[in-house]
Amino acid sequence: GAGVSQSPSNKVTEKGKDVELRCDPISGHTALYWYRQSLGQGLEFLIYFQGNSAPDKSGLPSDRFSAERTGGSVSTLTIQRTQQEDSAVYLCASSYPSTSRELFFGEGSRLTVL
Amino acid sequence: DAKTTQPPSMDCAEGRAANLPCNHSTISGNEYVYWYRQIHSQGPQYIIHGLKNNETNEMASLIITEDRKSSTLILPHATLRDTAVYYCIVRLSSGSARQLTFGSGTQLTVLP
Repeated sequence: GAGVSQSPSNKVTEKGKDVELRCDPISGHTALYWYRQSLGQGLEFLIYFQGNSAPDKSGLPSDRFSAERTGGSVSTLTIQRTQQEDSAVYLCASSYPSTSRELFFGEGSRLTVL
Repeated sequence: DAKTTQPPSMDCAEGRAANLPCNHSTISGNEYVYWYRQIHSQGPQYIIHGLKNNETNEMASLIITEDRKSSTLILPHATLRDTAVYYCIVRLSSGSARQLTFGSGTQLTVLP
């Protein structure tokens, strides 16, 4: 597609449920990032994928969070046993691997945990 | 990555130039300066980036001081649609798996 696509755009879930958020990056972009943005806050880095290299998971806040990227393209962010503090907008971005390339962000997935 | 400091908020009259400052006094020689903005309820949008020289594109101009310790993003003729949070970021150019780190940014409000 023309841009980074994220789904669902909105997700409301009950505390304790698992959720999956999907990101479809721009074709040809080998770098993929997940960020989280809580209400009124800046962006919080979660995880970074670059080609076939091991992902940088240093931003994942707990072991309830995991992400995978299949075939170097689509990525899924999974949150297990959701908590109310997980409520946020989850943003995905992709870029070419070149060092000075800009990131292209999706519109985000708004997660609300009741 | 070097840390950046930005004012939390600024106002600008519609049609006037908006000058958004950023301090990055600990920037290293191989770090680029990037600017992104985030309009309410949207994902961040790339604006411009530079290393040493001033840069200009269709959206904005980027002025980097000679010592590279600070920069200014200039929106030459601000419109109401430019109201957004503007993020100044510095990023290593080493090619290693480094994430961009977004701070709190500057909330620019363009007033009619």
